Amino acid sequence: AQKVTQAQTEISVVEKEDVTLDCVYETRDTTYYLFWYKQPPSGELVFLIRRNSFDEQNEISGRYSWNFQKSTSSFNFTITASQVVDSAVYFCALSAQGGSEKLVFGKGTKLTVNP
Amino acid sequence: DAGVTQSPTHLIKTRGQQVTLRCSPKSGHDTVSWYQQALGQGPQFIFQYYEEEERQRGNFPDRFSGHQFPNYSSELNVNALLLGDSALYLCASSLGEWSTEAFFGQGTRLTVV
Repeated sequence: AQKVTQAQTEISVVEKEDVTLDCVYETRDTTYYLFWYKQPPSGELVFLIRRNSFDEQNEISGRYSWNFQKSTSSFNFTITASQVVDSAVYFCALSAQGGSEKLVFGKGTKLTVNP
Repeated sequence: DAGVTQSPTHLIKTRGQQVTLRCSPKSGHDTVSWYQQALGQGPQFIFQYYEEEERQRGNFPDRFSGHQFPNYSSELNVNALLLGDSALYLCASSLGEWSTEAFFGQGTRLTVV
């Protein structure tokens, strides 16, 4: 069975601090895909990144970066120089298929960035 | 270009009633998936529709059913509502069964009293 654990329920930081959101996953599949989504108060899930199990290269996109480590089954997400607009609930998700269908989500981490 | 639209945005129903939620996928998308998100939890996969057929199903009872129309829009029906069905219902659309990225709507907040 697939499982995603986000141990941090809530994180509060002050603007401009760096923050890392942890994600640990479990799967028996050799091919799988990992995702991060952002959910602002409006409710819509906003896609941030997708990685496949064969690509462990870390990725950076602006202030966002992702660290994928198969050895520890982790896919952590770091926001550098956080901003108030980053306040949201962030979900890590896992899929055994190529697409985003049948995503298995973690319980989410609520990030609050205070001015 | 309209994204994924869901209706209604909010709904209050009484236990035992039936409800229908609607989803219009992003333009050009042909696959629709439905998720249930209880308060403080991550979304849980209900089912996926492609080519007007249910392709995959999560661990939800038969009270949850759906339909996809020729224009790719979709409905989620829930019969014999329980208090525990209160949740945010999210629709996601994508292009093909093996797409790279799914676009989510803003959801329908269902409250069962």
